[in-house]
Amino acid sequence: DAGVIQSPRHEVTEMGQEVTLRCKPISGHDYLFWYRQTMMRGLELLIYFNNNVPIDDSGMPEDRFSAKMPNASFSTLKIQPSEPRDSAVYFCASSLSNTASPFFTDTQYFGPGTRLTVL
Amino acid sequence: AQSVAQPEDQVNVAEGNPLTVKCTYSVSGNPYLFWYVQYPNRGLQFLLKYITGDNLVKGSYGFEAEFNKSQTSFHLKKPSALVSDSALYFCAVRGGGGFKTIFGAGTRLFVKA
Repeated sequence: DAGVIQSPRHEVTEMGQEVTLRCKPISGHDYLFWYRQTMMRGLELLIYFNNNVPIDDSGMPEDRFSAKMPNASFSTLKIQPSEPRDSAVYFCASSLSNTASPFFTDTQYFGPGTRLTVL
Repeated sequence: AQSVAQPEDQVNVAEGNPLTVKCTYSVSGNPYLFWYVQYPNRGLQFLLKYITGDNLVKGSYGFEAEFNKSQTSFHLKKPSALVSDSALYFCAVRGGGGFKTIFGAGTRLFVKA
């Protein structure tokens, strides 16, 4: 498997522009997570999905952020309009929950990240 | 509420010496505990996890961690550090029956040759 795939790897945009980050989880995984990493705030969970359904979006900073998962193999994180304080590395991660056992296989596999710079 | 504390921003150790990266947690119910490592310009990589069973958990690259319920700790250890172990290490916890994993702030490990 190619692992979690994120695109683009780097994005530079100007304040006010719309930004769309993309993620392809590992095939067969049923959970997908979006994180943001900055020096000041560390690694923050923004939102996660189970079977394409958003479960917890309490980490989404404000209405400018939105995330979708139209199918099991694709998710997007959109920022509209973007602001300089949104500059960060955005990670997508996926995992598989083994519901047949109390020992959940819930290791998260992270993508390489998208480095976003908003000027 | 769940929380994870990594009290050291940075740990310095000489190559060949043992290393410890500390982690304490707070969670309702039984904890699921994880260690991840991040190399520069890369995503986080899974090292090891504790779900249940033996308190000493062995993971990738010779790392191990000890679960201590009374001290609510899950320190990462390695008997002999390598320069290539230099990276950012994250402790994480999940508990309370939910699926939300909380990550610590990270500890940067420097191994000097």
